[in-house]
Amino acid sequence: ETGVTQSPTHLIKTRGQQVTLRCSSQSGHNTVSWYQQALGQGPQFIFQYYREEENGRGNFPPRFSGLQFPNYSSELNVNALELDDSALYLCASSLGRGPDTQYFGPGTRLTVL
Amino acid sequence: KNEVEQSPQNLTAQEGEFITINCSYSVGISALHWLQQHPGGGIVSLFMLSSGKKKHGRLIATINIQEKHSSLHITASHPRDSAVYICAVLPGNQFYFGTGTSLTVIP
Repeated sequence: ETGVTQSPTHLIKTRGQQVTLRCSSQSGHNTVSWYQQALGQGPQFIFQYYREEENGRGNFPPRFSGLQFPNYSSELNVNALELDDSALYLCASSLGRGPDTQYFGPGTRLTVL
Repeated sequence: KNEVEQSPQNLTAQEGEFITINCSYSVGISALHWLQQHPGGGIVSLFMLSSGKKKHGRLIATINIQEKHSSLHITASHPRDSAVYICAVLPGNQFYFGTGTSLTVIP
């Protein structure tokens, strides 16, 4: 059984650029959630996907978008990057939409200059 | 105002001490999670609680649904317990996280 993996580990972009972050869920998990964690803060919920459909969204603008693929891997896309988008982006997979244990990936550290 | 408040924000303990981290929340929830985050970002889910108490090794988590309060206890603390401990609640399908408690255990 493989755990949750994310790529890339680190990324540096400039303001206005676009970025795609990737997450591979734990085997058998059909739900993936994405979180943004600014330095010194707790994670903030971005959105959740269940069986390729968005299943809830936090208070993030539309330039944050996502996809979940048939193999339950997922992407987070951020357009028109802003300096405040610099953060650790975490994905977590779980089995089902309910209050199940979530398994977190190691995160992608995004720096926007 | 945050939906989830943790205390203390920072905690330094001597090896072997008993540690308590508290979490209060203001929304109705279906579950509460305690997470551990090590330097570098990796997050591990320690417990998921909806009532009562759970124990895993030296870690004990309790929740009082009526008082909207949970505690995480670490018995016989060890330097490898040094990490940030985060409380997260699930009112629906969206998690609300506390800002974390940074624990340092000194040998």
